Amino acid sequence: GAVVSQHPSWVICKSGTSVKIECRSLDFQATTMFWYRQFPKQSLMLMATSNEGSKATYEQGVEKDKFLINHASLTLSTLTVTSAHPEDSSFYICSARDFAYEQYFGPGTRLTVT
Amino acid sequence: QKEVEQNSGPLSVPEGAIASLNCTYSDRVSQSFFWYRQYSGKSPELIMSIYSNGDKEDGRFTAQLNKASQYVSLLIRDSQPSDSATYLCAVPTSGTYKYIFGTGTRLKVLA
Repeated sequence: GAVVSQHPSWVICKSGTSVKIECRSLDFQATTMFWYRQFPKQSLMLMATSNEGSKATYEQGVEKDKFLINHASLTLSTLTVTSAHPEDSSFYICSARDFAYEQYFGPGTRLTVT
Repeated sequence: QKEVEQNSGPLSVPEGAIASLNCTYSDRVSQSFFWYRQYSGKSPELIMSIYSNGDKEDGRFTAQLNKASQYVSLLIRDSQPSDSATYLCAVPTSGTYKYIFGTGTRLKVLA
């Protein structure tokens, strides 16, 4: 149980375009989903927290107009990187929690912006 | 600022030995603690959660919690080369479900 999927697993896009990443909880209802970013050899950085039907809460320093998060249902959250630039290239990982404190992570999406 | 601290390592142990990973946290009211394993290039995987003082065992893994000392550890018995990874300690911040992660300890199990 507690499986979280992400799609796509990797994506290459041109500078200035937008990319959408989907995060799904497959066998449980996720009351909260989290979006992280991780650069090589660095720690996970929390970008935002989203609850179903509510606006996402962004961490300090994360541009909410650039990283659009939609948590449309209890099993789906999406992250859209708008007007992507090479510095947005990173490993984006979502996680989901049910009614406990455990977070279950998706496999991640590797974004490369050329 | 609440903190979670881990020794970054690398911690090198021979195959078959016990690996001991440590984590300290600053928030005295923390009630739940998690250990994640992250292989290079992969996302974190939950391996243990612990809520009460004492030991919790799951297969080759044992989590130990001492709330008075604000200390949580992970023991890996009979370490295998496949255990080589970065181990992250995570503690939810008070009043939220957001985690504070330690920087992670890189474990190398030598064959």
